[in-house]
Amino acid sequence: KQEVTQIPAALSVPEGENLVLNCSFTDSAIYNLQWFRQDPGKGLTSLLLIQSSQREQTSGRLNASLDKSSGRSTLYIAASQPGDSATYLCAVRPQGAQKLVFGQGTRLTINP
Amino acid sequence: NAGVTQTPKFRILKIGQSMTLQCTQDMNHNYMYWYRQDPGMGLKLIYYSVGAGITDKGEVPNGYNVSRSTTEDFPLRLELAAPSQTSVYFCASSFYPGQGDGELFFGEGSRLTVL
Repeated sequence: KQEVTQIPAALSVPEGENLVLNCSFTDSAIYNLQWFRQDPGKGLTSLLLIQSSQREQTSGRLNASLDKSSGRSTLYIAASQPGDSATYLCAVRPQGAQKLVFGQGTRLTINP
Repeated sequence: NAGVTQTPKFRILKIGQSMTLQCTQDMNHNYMYWYRQDPGMGLKLIYYSVGAGITDKGEVPNGYNVSRSTTEDFPLRLELAAPSQTSVYFCASSFYPGQGDGELFFGEGSRLTVL
């Protein structure tokens, strides 16, 4: 059974720092991995989607990497800003599965 | 480009009442999902559908029903509302992996309170 873990559950850093959020999964047979952002009281916004054949994806200050063999993905945020404060969730779509498996998320706070 | 649209955004129900949360998507996605998210908690899958006329249970289906008569619409029915169903409900959709890239898109959520 696929399990997805995000550690730490919460992270607080000063503005301007580069930071890394972690996502680990137990079964490397995945179709893709997706990173989401959720602001308090809001829905989930897709940030980056990495297919199983890809190693990384980039969008602006965000870079997501995927290492299937080690069951890990990282979301790198460069030059963090207070507006980056949110909960970040990762989800994997196992191969052949109709449902995604979500991590519990990392609540990120960027302090001015 | 509307994406995934959920209505209503907010609703207060009395115990024992019933209601339907509406979800529609305009991306011609095969897969649609209903999740619930309790305060400070992760997402739990209620029901999902892989195409019109096909639905299946997720982790927490008790107290809910769904139907999928069209590709676009996937309503969630709450029968005999209970306080335990107080939550935020999210609808999501994606292409079947292989038909598309499998990216999942979410609606903005429906906040339901049962008193």
